Amino acid sequence: EAGVAQSPRYKIIEKRQSVAFWCNPISGHATLYWYQQILGQGPKLLIQFQNNGVVDDSQLPKDRFSAERLKGVDSTLKIQPAKLEDSAVYLCASSLGGGPAKTQYFGPGTRLLVL
Amino acid sequence: AQKITQTQPGMFVQEKEAVTLDCTYDTSDPSYGLFWYKQPSSGEMIFLIYQGSYDQQNATEGRYSLNFQKARKSANLVISASQLGDSAMYFCAMREGYAGNNRKLIWGLGTSLAVNP
Repeated sequence: EAGVAQSPRYKIIEKRQSVAFWCNPISGHATLYWYQQILGQGPKLLIQFQNNGVVDDSQLPKDRFSAERLKGVDSTLKIQPAKLEDSAVYLCASSLGGGPAKTQYFGPGTRLLVL
Repeated sequence: AQKITQTQPGMFVQEKEAVTLDCTYDTSDPSYGLFWYKQPSSGEMIFLIYQGSYDQQNATEGRYSLNFQKARKSANLVISASQLGDSAMYFCAMREGYAGNNRKLIWGLGTSLAVNP
């Protein structure tokens, strides 16, 4: 079974530029998550999708971050415009459902450096 | 208050020895799940082991076992026969309740484990 796929793996941009990340979850996983992980910290949930609907985006900085999962499968996360503090690893995860026993499986992440 | 506490920022262990990584949690919800993840320097978050609050037995997965002490609210990860490839950050996480599908995973700050040859 293929795991969670993410691209690109690395991205370097200048502040005020735009960037987009792509995620393809494990086949059949209805729930998809985007996390931001700043160096030395645990992951912070940005947004959670159930199929193509948003169930939690309370920690998404909506003035600059957007995410979509139009067909309920793959998803894109966009930052526009980027700030220096957006430098982090962006992790995508998926699970069969959203209950407490449902394990989240993560992709390899995208390392973003904003200069 | 911290919901997940990992008190060991860094740990060292000799290859082939066992090591215990501590995790304590705080919840008033009777239903919850506890997870351990490994994050090597490559950045990927790798699922290791899961323990449900109603599980009667401690979870085990190969060299990983979870020492679940419900009354003390601790869920320590035990790695037996450490290998060099076990060097990584280890995160403890908790998810509360069955109500709805939008309960977040709550993460600890992690423990950095270094395995010495």
